[in-house]
Amino acid sequence: GENVEQHPSTLSVQEGDSAVIKCTYSDSASNYFPWYKQELGKGPQLIIDIRSNVGEKKDQRIAVTLNKTAKHFSLHITETQPEDSAVYFCAAKDSGAGSYQLTFGKGTKLSVIP
Amino acid sequence: DVKVTQSSRYLVKRTGEKVFLECVQDMDHENMFWYRQDPGLGLRLIYFSYDVKMKEKGDIPEGYSVSREKKERFSLILESASTNQTSMYLCASGGPGWGGELFFGEGSRLTVL
Repeated sequence: GENVEQHPSTLSVQEGDSAVIKCTYSDSASNYFPWYKQELGKGPQLIIDIRSNVGEKKDQRIAVTLNKTAKHFSLHITETQPEDSAVYFCAAKDSGAGSYQLTFGKGTKLSVIP
Repeated sequence: DVKVTQSSRYLVKRTGEKVFLECVQDMDHENMFWYRQDPGLGLRLIYFSYDVKMKEKGDIPEGYSVSREKKERFSLILESASTNQTSMYLCASGGPGWGGELFFGEGSRLTVL
């Protein structure tokens, strides 16, 4: 099955700096890569996703890049703010028909220091 | 907005007790999931269901069962709770065709003494 590795496990940045979280996956059939943000006391929430036919996707201060050859994808947060402090999870999924398994990384706890 | 509601935020049970965790979604989603979240281990899939009365095992089904009698409701059952089942349990749902986006509930933190 799919295996997703996520690094780093913890990350501290100064407010206004950029943060980068990296993930690698093992199954070349995976072609959907979402990122979830989990705030304290809440369930994870999708913040951005990318499919394999795209190399980069941006949404305001967040962006995701995908390198299918190397089987890795990254989350980039620019101009970090205290409200970006949370746990972030990457995930990978085979979008084939009948595929229901979304495999998550172990998470990155991001702390933005004011 | 999609809402996934887990009936209990915090539960404390004793070893050997039967535990029911209930989850209800209001978006008519076909697909529902139960995950377990532990520090350093991320989210691990216990069971999922792609239709009423249908269920499939995830990565860690041992010690758990599920029930889906109605489309909007997915229950996780611990037949005989053990201390190693102390964890955060997250329910999620996904829409038709399920491209991959999941909508999560706020979680149920279970402590087994």
